[in-house]
Formats: sequence, C-alpha cells, structure tokens
Amino acid sequence: DAGITQSPRYKITETGRQVTLMCHQTWSHSYMFWYRQDLGHGLRLIYYSAAADITDKGEVPDGYVVSRSKTENFPLTLESATRSQTSVYFCASMRTSGVFTDTQYFGPGTRLTVL
Amino acid sequence: AQSVTQPDIHITVSEGASLELRCNYSYGATPYLFWYVQSPGQGLQLLLKYFSGDTLVQGIKGFEAEFKRSQSSFNLRKPSVHWSDAAEYFCAASATNNDMRFGAGTRLTVKP
Repeated sequence: DAGITQSPRYKITETGRQVTLMCHQTWSHSYMFWYRQDLGHGLRLIYYSAAADITDKGEVPDGYVVSRSKTENFPLTLESATRSQTSVYFCASMRTSGVFTDTQYFGPGTRLTVL
Repeated sequence: AQSVTQPDIHITVSEGASLELRCNYSYGATPYLFWYVQSPGQGLQLLLKYFSGDTLVQGIKGFEAEFKRSQSSFNLRKPSVHWSDAAEYFCAASATNNDMRFGAGTRLTVKP
C-alpha cells in the first residue's frame, strides 16, 4: 500500500561527489519520471522511462544518469554533483503508455543540497 | 518553444471568497492540460485534466477549470475557498511522450 516512495528525503553532499536518489513504486506502472523543482521554474522533466530497460531524456538531462532494470525502481544518479543541481527532486509514475494522458502519481520528493 | 505560463506568482484570498488561477499555454496544437496541487512538503496531486470535449472540467475538492481555445487558457476556479486550499498550484501541458511542461506555479494564501 506504499504507492510511490523516494529515498532519501533529504540529502546534503559536496561538489564532485556521486549521489543516487531512489524511487520505488508498488503499482507496476509502466511509465516513471524524474523531475526537478526550482523556484520560478516549476517542475522540469529530467528523464523518463516507458518500461524496464527503456529510458529517454527530458528537458534537462545533462549531469544525470538513470537506469531501470526493474519495473518498480527508477534510480537517478548525479555522477559528479554540482551546486546548480541543488533542488527538490520528484519521482512520478503513470499507469498507461502513449502520451502523458493518464494521471501521474508523485512521490514526496527528495531535497538535495550540494555544497 | 512550447511553454506554460502562470502569470500570478502569489495570490491571497479570503476564506469563502471565489478563486481563479490563470494559466496560458503556447503550443502548436491544443495539448493535454492538467492542474496539480502541492501542499507544503508534499508531492503533487492531480486536481483535474482536459483532453477534449466539454470545455468546463470538474475536478476534485470542488475545483473546476475552463478551457478557452481562443485565449490559449486553462484557468482554475473554485466558488468558495477553504483554509485547507492554501497550497501551490501548477498548471501543466503535454503534447508528446517526452514533453510534459509545468508552469512556475501560483502560491495561494487563504486569509481567515
């Protein structure tokens, strides 16, 4: 009954370090997404995945890597964190394929600070 | 470029008053349109969505939105605001698989 969860909820790291944000959903939704939320920008799509082993870039993919070996997990990795990646990161999932016509369900977010 | 604009960064209304949050989109063709709400420290929750058909869409929590093609707008309304409606509201649009665009958000404050 967990739905969609993200971990950690808060993370502080230093410039240059690798950081992985986890996202897990229990609904077996085919689509999953990663967004970042910055003041004045709303949410911007980083990467999305249509199914296991299928990923694609969104609006702001630079500096991020994703993988999806299992349907339920969609980790986001910052290979070498920069201060500009300080943000709140939201994971979302969606049941159907095709265009984004179905409801996206959002996790609670991870607040990442890069010092 | 495709974009979604929410002209109002912050709106304050009195409890019981009516509410209208504005949203304009810039797309080549009419996209799918959404309104989400985000309570403090929470993820986003879908209020309503428009794909086609009736231009007045009903959503959860007593919200409705009206699609106006001539104005490229999708404004969110509520006849009587409750203190629990205080939150951030996001308009979003989608035309293709990799193009979900959100507006910058409107923060709603409700005065007692």
